[in-house]
Amino acid sequence: NAGVMQNPRHLVRRRGQEARLRCSPMKGHSHVYWYRQLPEEGLKFMVYLQKENIIDESGMPKERFSAEFPKEGPSILRIQQVVRGDSAAYFCASSSGAGRAYEQYFGPGTRLTVT
Amino acid sequence: GENVEQHPSTLSVQEGDSAVIKCTYSDSASNYFPWYKQELGKRPQLIIDIRSNVGEKKDQRIAVTLNKTAKHFSLHITETQPEDSAVYFCAASKPGNQFYFGTGTSLTVIP
Repeated sequence: NAGVMQNPRHLVRRRGQEARLRCSPMKGHSHVYWYRQLPEEGLKFMVYLQKENIIDESGMPKERFSAEFPKEGPSILRIQQVVRGDSAAYFCASSSGAGRAYEQYFGPGTRLTVT
Repeated sequence: GENVEQHPSTLSVQEGDSAVIKCTYSDSASNYFPWYKQELGKRPQLIIDIRSNVGEKKDQRIAVTLNKTAKHFSLHITETQPEDSAVYFCAASKPGNQFYFGTGTSLTVIP
């Protein structure tokens, strides 16, 4: 199955710790999007990346959050000094960026709990 | 930026009846409108999409209509079944851009 992969699926962190969320796009996809979903709410865009480039980070909080998509390996969303309000499901989606470029396919998500 | 509104927020229908979910968008440059279904604790799954050069698209029991002039699009599910129960999200997008999602509709199909 060459679907979008995310790990870990569940992550528990204490306040002040760092959280690292990983996303491997579908095979052949070079565009990655990160979204955050609070309980019983919709999906909010955070950042859009292509290999080695951040295309749009307009949805990222200014502090503590960063993202990267290196030439090799998965995309990583990093949250430093987590707070309780960071508890949410974080989904990544990938797109081919060519042809039927608009379709985004979602990974299973990482559910972050900050205690 | 784009603003997508979705209604209703909750919808209950009897099995076999139709369900309609409506979305409006604000940016006339948006030209791609996907619909996602999300079951509890699962990932959003693309169920149907429409591009702005098309007014209607159908896939078995699911159809989507788009009115570009009025900037609204709708999801229609006919002959609903209990397994259609989920949260449905609409979205609007421009090429190479993020998706702007609606706030979701929780659909319950009552057997």
